[in-house]
Amino acid sequence: GEDVEQSLFLSVREGDSSVINCTYTDSSSTYLYWYKQEPGAGLQLLTYIFSNMDMKQDQRLTVLLNKKDKHLSLRIADTQTGDSAIYFCAGVSSGGYNKLIFGAGTRLAVHP
Amino acid sequence: EAQVTQNPRYLITVTGKKLTVTCSQNMNHEYMSWYRQDPGLGLRQIYYSMNVEVTDKGDVPEGYKVSRKEKRNFPLILESPSPNQTSLYFCASSSAPQYEQYFGPGTRLTVT
Repeated sequence: GEDVEQSLFLSVREGDSSVINCTYTDSSSTYLYWYKQEPGAGLQLLTYIFSNMDMKQDQRLTVLLNKKDKHLSLRIADTQTGDSAIYFCAGVSSGGYNKLIFGAGTRLAVHP
Repeated sequence: EAQVTQNPRYLITVTGKKLTVTCSQNMNHEYMSWYRQDPGLGLRQIYYSMNVEVTDKGDVPEGYKVSRKEKRNFPLILESPSPNQTSLYFCASSSAPQYEQYFGPGTRLTVT
């Protein structure tokens, strides 16, 4: 089945770029997702990438996918204090039935 | 507005006192699931449901029950809560398990 790993904490200065990394084990994942969880709230889909893509850009967000290394990253340009949150990557597990497997989440702290 | 609602948002209870956390979605989704979120462990799936009257265990089902009598509702039942069930619980729904999950706002449960 799928295993998804990500670092637990990242601290950046306001205005800098943030890069959150994720590795996954199941190469059959058709989609890979990034979710954002703000304090006291549920998870919301931030962006996703199809497995046949290498990169996807959406305003300040850039998702890079390295299928060979099974590595996914989320880059946030010009990071703002409002970007402070926990970011989860998620992949689809092919074991059992197709379901999303979430990483442990990376807490992004943005300081002035 | 498309949404997943959960009630209550916060609950403090004592060991052994049965409780139910309700979940409802208005998107006509067939797939619904329950997760618990614990620090450093990310989201772990408790139970899921593919459709009305079709439920199955997730990764951490012990101590929990669910039912799916109507498409929109998927309550989580703790028959005899224990302190190790103190956690943050999320309900989610989707058109299919491998697609975007829509999350409720979460229920923070404390069992003393």
